[in-house]
Amino acid sequence: SQTIHQWPATLVQPVGSPLSLECTVEGTSNPNLYWYRQAAGRGLQLLFYSVGIGQISSEVPQNLSASRPQDRQFILSSKKLLLSDSGFYLCAWSASRTSGSGETQYFGPGTRLLVL
Amino acid sequence: GQQLNQSPQSMFIQEGEDVSMNCTSSSIFNTWLWYKQDPGEGPVLLIALYKAGELTSNGRLTAQFGITRKDSFLNISASIPSDVGIYFCAGQHSANSKLTFGKGITLSVRP
Repeated sequence: SQTIHQWPATLVQPVGSPLSLECTVEGTSNPNLYWYRQAAGRGLQLLFYSVGIGQISSEVPQNLSASRPQDRQFILSSKKLLLSDSGFYLCAWSASRTSGSGETQYFGPGTRLLVL
Repeated sequence: GQQLNQSPQSMFIQEGEDVSMNCTSSSIFNTWLWYKQDPGEGPVLLIALYKAGELTSNGRLTAQFGITRKDSFLNISASIPSDVGIYFCAGQHSANSKLTFGKGITLSVRP
């Protein structure tokens, strides 16, 4: 079965510091991968998605970037965190369109980021 | 852009009661999904709907894909305290793989 992991679970960082959040998926190959941010426990904002290694699409201009160095690894980064970057970051995966099994997305456990 | 409307923002029910939640859109979707999120955790998929008119159950949960493809509802029967959480609907247009999410409904169940 497929599982999705996020690391770390919680992070407190000072303003201006760098950020690296990791998401890994097991039990599937060539997944579509997504990063969402959820503010104040409500509403999911899509930040980035990727359909393959090195392929990243950005949904909104922001202080963050994403990378996909391996098929089942998705990284969310920032060079300098802002206060407004605080929130709950969720990674999700879906089967690639070529698999024919639809685009239902499955979420990871999330990373809570607090920027002080 | 596409939007999904979920209202009210919060619902309060008594344990044992049934509850129904609607999700509506101004545009057509080809997939409807319902998720539940517990505090501090990621959303968990409850039910996925892929055909207009489809009615699917998962235990005490029942969801339907509206005939017009512009709405869906989720019913929870005989609510229990662990039903507390935020319920999100999500729709997917066939043109791309991105989901459009509603803002969620926070359900509280009084024992």
